[in-house]
Amino acid sequence: GEDVEQSLFLSVREGDSSVINCTYTDSSSTYLYWYKQEPGAGLQLLTYIFSNMDMKQDQRLTVLLNKKDKHLSLRIADTQTGDSAIYFCAYDNYGQNFVFGPGTRLSVLP
Amino acid sequence: DTEVTQTPKHLVMGMTNKKSLKCEQHMGHRAMYWYKQKAKKPPELMFVYSYEKLSINESVPSRFSPECPNSSLLNLHLHALQPEDSALYLCASSQDIGRGGTGELFFGEGSRLTVL
Repeated sequence: GEDVEQSLFLSVREGDSSVINCTYTDSSSTYLYWYKQEPGAGLQLLTYIFSNMDMKQDQRLTVLLNKKDKHLSLRIADTQTGDSAIYFCAYDNYGQNFVFGPGTRLSVLP
Repeated sequence: DTEVTQTPKHLVMGMTNKKSLKCEQHMGHRAMYWYKQKAKKPPELMFVYSYEKLSINESVPSRFSPECPNSSLLNLHLHALQPEDSALYLCASSQDIGRGGTGELFFGEGSRLTVL
């Protein structure tokens, strides 16, 4: 199947690190993606990781991929109030058919 | 230009109206998509156009009619909609991984549709 699971909510204090987790059941996708959606806006690509990599770092963002366990995570260092949004993990299932997780709503408390 | 532009941003229509949503991209992407997103849910795929031909139709009711006039434009024609069709409609485009892209979807800001 194409199930993707994410925890629905995460609250952190400003300045702390946030870790958003994603598990999937099946992916032949070359890349896996993290998207961010702010209220009333479209989805914005945050970062992606090539499926043959196990880690990618991009400024405050660190993506970890465990292909054996089918687990993807996004760590945001020094979380700011502007990071409050919904975060979706996603992969491309056999071309042109993106599978999205349910989204994790990140709330950053001052 | 890395933008996908959607118009209108907001649309209110009655169940007997006919309206259209428009989407434009100038990134040279050959795949374009319509997604529907309800509140607090992930986007749901409706249609995919690849090289201006409809390649995926996810069993969408015929009251939604897509059109791809050229490789930069994508329309969604709306007719006789129901209140439950109220949602955020997102357009996206992508470049094939095989053509040097990383396959990600580039999304527009969406058209928020309310059906009365």
